[in-house]
Amino acid sequence: AQKITQTQPGMFVQEKEAVTLDCTYDTSDPSYGLFWYKQPSSGEMIFLIYQGSYDQQNATEGRYSLNFQKARKSANLVISASQLGDSAMYFCAMREDYMGRRALTFGSGTRLQVQP
Amino acid sequence: SAVISQKPSRDICQRGTSLTIQCQVDSQVTMMFWYRQQPGQSLTLIATANQGSEATYESGFVIDKFPISRPNLTFSTLTVSNLSPEDSSIYLCSAQGSGELFFGEGSRLTVL
Repeated sequence: AQKITQTQPGMFVQEKEAVTLDCTYDTSDPSYGLFWYKQPSSGEMIFLIYQGSYDQQNATEGRYSLNFQKARKSANLVISASQLGDSAMYFCAMREDYMGRRALTFGSGTRLQVQP
Repeated sequence: SAVISQKPSRDICQRGTSLTIQCQVDSQVTMMFWYRQQPGQSLTLIATANQGSEATYESGFVIDKFPISRPNLTFSTLTVSNLSPEDSSIYLCSAQGSGELFFGEGSRLTVL
């Protein structure tokens, strides 16, 4: 079974609009973390936002917010006021903390294109 | 946040040869990892680089093909051995900081 599922291979959004990128996850570990990364065409992985499974509040970082719905096992990324520079691949990832494992499992990614 | 430098940033190699990728972190980190990103794909964990001991490999990856060293808390190398065109990928080093996982800029390998 997929641990991280991103069902949107590609998304388009108009500049200055908000966009939501979907991510669902599957784990039986009560302690886990959810991450979003941005990968521009240059290839580097840019950390955007983190949500811990025990965090009561949804994480926010500037124009990025994470809509964390624990019961639904979803961790959608919301980008407000899209900019042309937001065009990139976006990966959702999960870290499960059992047995001290700290590596991330990544979803398949969503390619976001911001249109002027 | 940690700054991670990878070398080389890209290389073109002949099949049958090997390539060693270096990863340097600007601060001591507890954990370092190596990922592979095949063209158009997501990231797949190759192994966890353990300081002073053998790396921990994921299913489908073996030490003979991907030997890894980590002599200290800031440096690691990944070697991709006996290269074939299927090894053409981006190889990314990552390091565990206080919370986030940071990535190097990746090493883009093309095997002819």
